[in-house]
Amino acid sequence: TQLLEQSPQFLSIQEGENLTVYCNSSSVFSSLQWYRQEPGEGPVLLVTVVTGGEVKKLKRLTFQFGDARKDSSLHITAAQPGDTGLYLCAGAERSNNAGNMLTFGGGTRLMVKP
Amino acid sequence: KAGVTQTPRYLIKTRGQQVTLSCSPISGHRSVSWYQQTPGQGLQFLFEYFSETQRNKGNFPGRFSGRQFSNSRSEMNVSTLELGDSALYLCASRTGTGNFGYTFGSGTRLTVV
Repeated sequence: TQLLEQSPQFLSIQEGENLTVYCNSSSVFSSLQWYRQEPGEGPVLLVTVVTGGEVKKLKRLTFQFGDARKDSSLHITAAQPGDTGLYLCAGAERSNNAGNMLTFGGGTRLMVKP
Repeated sequence: KAGVTQTPRYLIKTRGQQVTLSCSPISGHRSVSWYQQTPGQGLQFLFEYFSETQRNKGNFPGRFSGRQFSNSRSEMNVSTLELGDSALYLCASRTGTGNFGYTFGSGTRLTVV
């Protein structure tokens, strides 16, 4: 079973600050996904990165997949209170029968204070 | 387009009982996966179903089982409940092929007393 280390675990910042969340593994994943989860709800997919070195932008969020497809980062520019939530990275593993399963990192709980 | 629907939202059971949770995937999605989320262990993979067949299973005891019906709806069952089974159980669906992400339901919050 592959493991994903996510850091930091907790982050409390002021509105307008920038932040970066890291997701690292010693193994290669077929793709890396980032989710955001609000209390009492399921995770919501933000982005999927597939190619090593890939960079994707979603408004103020920038996602990067490492060249070796073992690590990823999420950078938020000018954070807003609406960005508050639990951010989860998840690596997708392909099994021999074409099945798919996600290995989740431990999550980063972000609080943005107004 | 309706999302992933999980029922019930909340459930309280007694140790030793069994429970069945239900998941209706997005229309057209043939892959349904189940995850357990706890404060201590985070999100852990339980199993994945595709076209009524279990394709993958996580490291959970045999008390955890599931099935998928011909309309892609899925159920998971936990027998002989233990206090440690208290968790948020999440169902996720996807088309079943490619590198597309998952759409999760809101989950079923199970409390075992």
